[in-house]
Amino acid sequence: DQQVKQNSPSLSVQEGRISILNCDYTNSMFDYFLWYKKYPAEGPTFLISISSIKDKNEDGRFTVFLNKSAKHLSLHIVPSQPGDSAVYFCAARGGSEKLVFGKGTKLTVNP
Amino acid sequence: DAGVTQSPTHLIKTRGQQVTLRCSPKSGHDTVSWYQQALGQGPQFIFQYYEEEERQRGNFPDRFSGHQFPNYSSELNVNALLLGDSALYLCASSLEVLGGNTIYFGEGSWLTVV
Repeated sequence: DQQVKQNSPSLSVQEGRISILNCDYTNSMFDYFLWYKKYPAEGPTFLISISSIKDKNEDGRFTVFLNKSAKHLSLHIVPSQPGDSAVYFCAARGGSEKLVFGKGTKLTVNP
Repeated sequence: DAGVTQSPTHLIKTRGQQVTLRCSPKSGHDTVSWYQQALGQGPQFIFQYYEEEERQRGNFPDRFSGHQFPNYSSELNVNALLLGDSALYLCASSLEVLGGNTIYFGEGSWLTVV
């Protein structure tokens, strides 16, 4: 039973354009959501997070949107840069610190 | 400010052997969690330690055990290794008093069981 789903295994965008990575969840008890970026052979790097009491959080080129009624969140990267190429993981937490991760989306930003 | 550090970075073990992985949390953090990431999957929660006690546990067998020391560092032990235990083992740390909302990961320990 996968509680956090990233249905797109991969995404390819052109440099300078917007990258939109999507994530769906099933557990309504989740109250905090995080996005991590991971390069091969490295640990996940924290990018941005959002609490369930908000619907948007922005940090530089990264914006996370949360639609609680649809149990959906998305990460927008604008403008996309080749250095953004990595695997992006969506993670959710429900009142404790146990994170539940999706399987990841591999983003490729082409020059 | 040192981040989360893990050791060793890579190791190879034989089926049936035992392994110990180590983690030092980010400075000031008091909570340590361990995750297993198999190829092509997201990290899976193993367990979490706070105040030297196991506070939460994921769906992993008793072969997986851990410990947290007074300085908040932690160890993950896996006994009777199976081929399927080959994975990247990640340590994450956070600070309980802040609600644990900022969770940082180490670089991981790559375990190969042959």
